[in-house]
Amino acid sequence: QVHLVQSGAEVKKPGASVKVSCKASGYTFTAYYIQWVRQAPGQGLEWIGWINPNSGDTKFAQKFQGRVTMTSDTSISTAYVELSRLKSDDTAMYYCTRSSPLDYWGQGTLVNVSS
Amino acid sequence: QSVLTQPPSVSAPPGQKVTISCSGSSSNIGDHYVSWYQQVPGTAPKLLIYDDNKRYSGIPDRFSGSKSGTSATLGITGLQTGDEADYYCGVWDHSLSAEVFGGGTKLTVL
Repeated sequence: QVHLVQSGAEVKKPGASVKVSCKASGYTFTAYYIQWVRQAPGQGLEWIGWINPNSGDTKFAQKFQGRVTMTSDTSISTAYVELSRLKSDDTAMYYCTRSSPLDYWGQGTLVNVSS
Repeated sequence: QSVLTQPPSVSAPPGQKVTISCSGSSSNIGDHYVSWYQQVPGTAPKLLIYDDNKRYSGIPDRFSGSKSGTSATLGITGLQTGDEADYYCGVWDHSLSAEVFGGGTKLTVL
């Protein structure tokens, strides 16, 4: 069975960076894109971008350009998203999800940006 | 403000039917497949419908999806209290080169 297991909650100060991992199991990791979606407290879903683990190609939402990095390590079937220059409004639950469609989701990683 | 417009809330009694609309434009719904997700508060979203009207594996046929022009609709029949959740539509937008989501609709089964 397919599982996406994310790293634990993070507390960061404004201006810092955070890196969240997403370990996949139960399927061929390189056969599906991994997308990242976040959800601020009480808000809706916001797409961050995707990575093709097979090629390393990435695509990001305009608002995150220059501040986000997505990588993957095929040897351990793990994808990563790193967000730099954190601001308080980056506080959110960050989800990885397999695509397409977005059929399997990780459990979420809460990132709290607070001074 | 979301690119896709959903009603903030809908409600209906158990056993009844409800529809949730998702309005977009020619650059998203009008040209790409729509998906629908269910999210119980405190949990990750769950895929219900993809490619406009295909039920994902294990999703009961009480859930259906349809699309016309630049609008999509999620229908739920035989409402159960367990259907109470937030529902989101999602679709690729080629003008934005981004996946976009509706603002979400809170379903109350009362």
